[in-house]
Amino acid sequence: TQLLEQSPQFLSIQEGENLTVYCNSSSVFSSLQWYRQEPGEGPVLLVTVVTGGEVKKLKRLTFQFGDARKDSSLHITAAQPGDTGLYLCAGAGGNSGGGADGLTFGKGTHLIIQP
Amino acid sequence: DAGVTQSPTHLIKTRGQHVTLRCSPISGHKSVSWYQQVLGQGPQFIFQYYEKEERGRGNFPDRFSARQFPNYSSELNVNALLLGDSALYLCASSLAGLRQYFGPGTRLTVL
Repeated sequence: TQLLEQSPQFLSIQEGENLTVYCNSSSVFSSLQWYRQEPGEGPVLLVTVVTGGEVKKLKRLTFQFGDARKDSSLHITAAQPGDTGLYLCAGAGGNSGGGADGLTFGKGTHLIIQP
Repeated sequence: DAGVTQSPTHLIKTRGQHVTLRCSPISGHKSVSWYQQVLGQGPQFIFQYYEKEERGRGNFPDRFSARQFPNYSSELNVNALLLGDSALYLCASSLAGLRQYFGPGTRLTVL
């Protein structure tokens, strides 16, 4: 059962445009993490949000955790070709069926930034 | 410092065979987790081990098993391989459940 829904699944935009990726769930998570994965590599952590309503900024990337700790968004300003990749959200402390440290991942958003 | 390493990088097996995948965590990390990532999907949690004991298990059949050794490295074993087991298998290590660092994965193809 997929507990984290990401949208859109695919996104192709021009360099310089802004975009937002959404991660929604019916479950409450103790924290949400955003990862970026490139072909042939494992996911790399971008940010962890813990508090409901929390906003974190990482250069041109802005991450927000919903007040109810069920959803999150990733906003990229002035996208660049180097932002191309698979963006994954992952919840910790949800009902993944795993132990305390098993992450529940969404299916990911495939982002392509065209020069 | 070296990151999480996994071996082999790629592997091709046939249905019914058995496979063993290996993972070496970052030095000092005592926790290792295994994930399966099918093409087009996000990773799915399989197992988590801490100090050589299983701490968590995802919704995978008993054909999947794992263990952690005294040096904190880990093996994932899959018996009676099915076509649907074809995936990227990711290992992640962490310091007692904090931030997880993922390895590059092992690409398993079952024919």
